[in-house]
Amino acid sequence: DTAVSQTPKYLVTQMGNDKSIKCEQNLGHDTMYWYKQDSKKFLKIMFSYNNKELIINETVPNRFSPKSPDKAHLNLHINSLELGDSAVYFCASSPGSRGDSGANVLTFGAGSRLTVL
Amino acid sequence: SQKIEQNSEALNIQEGKTATLTCNYTNYSPAYLQWYRQDPGRGPVFLLLIRENEKEKRKERLKVTFDTTLKQSLFHITASQPADSATYLCALCSGNTGKLIFGQGTTLQVKP
Repeated sequence: DTAVSQTPKYLVTQMGNDKSIKCEQNLGHDTMYWYKQDSKKFLKIMFSYNNKELIINETVPNRFSPKSPDKAHLNLHINSLELGDSAVYFCASSPGSRGDSGANVLTFGAGSRLTVL
Repeated sequence: SQKIEQNSEALNIQEGKTATLTCNYTNYSPAYLQWYRQDPGRGPVFLLLIRENEKEKRKERLKVTFDTTLKQSLFHITASQPADSATYLCALCSGNTGKLIFGQGTTLQVKP
């Protein structure tokens, strides 16, 4: 069983479209994240949810909206896609979110490569 | 400004040698630092965590050091193998929200 699974793995779409990426973890972790990895391989945090509560919200265009229906799922919806949104988006989870260092070890999904034409 | 820097140039070494990767940071005071491995087309995988009060941590052929005075962590792979070829990312925790900030990674190529 895959610990952190995200779908789709590949997404090719036109500028202006709206798309969603889904993520599920079966590790029983309390915290989930979305990271964006650009063409230069920089991995930047976008959002983090702890038990369905938003705890990290980086400077991300409000076209990006995360949703966490329960602590095992964190989806990412992107409106009005732009060329600059092309990247690989990684979902991750961790046992906790603060304090104990061991709580903050991330398990990543395989990534969703988004290409905006 | 806050920065995490890893050598962006690929590191090429011969099989059997020790690979040493560097992670430098400025304007952070992390309580701990983590190292991850990323293979092409896959997500990063956690390798090691070292706390600010630990000088060194080992796991099999891997060794990590953490010097809070120099603001630097070194990641060593001894007796390197071609299978160790990958990109290695360091990450540190910023603030008390558990936000992990990643360096840009160093690609290691081990030649047989």
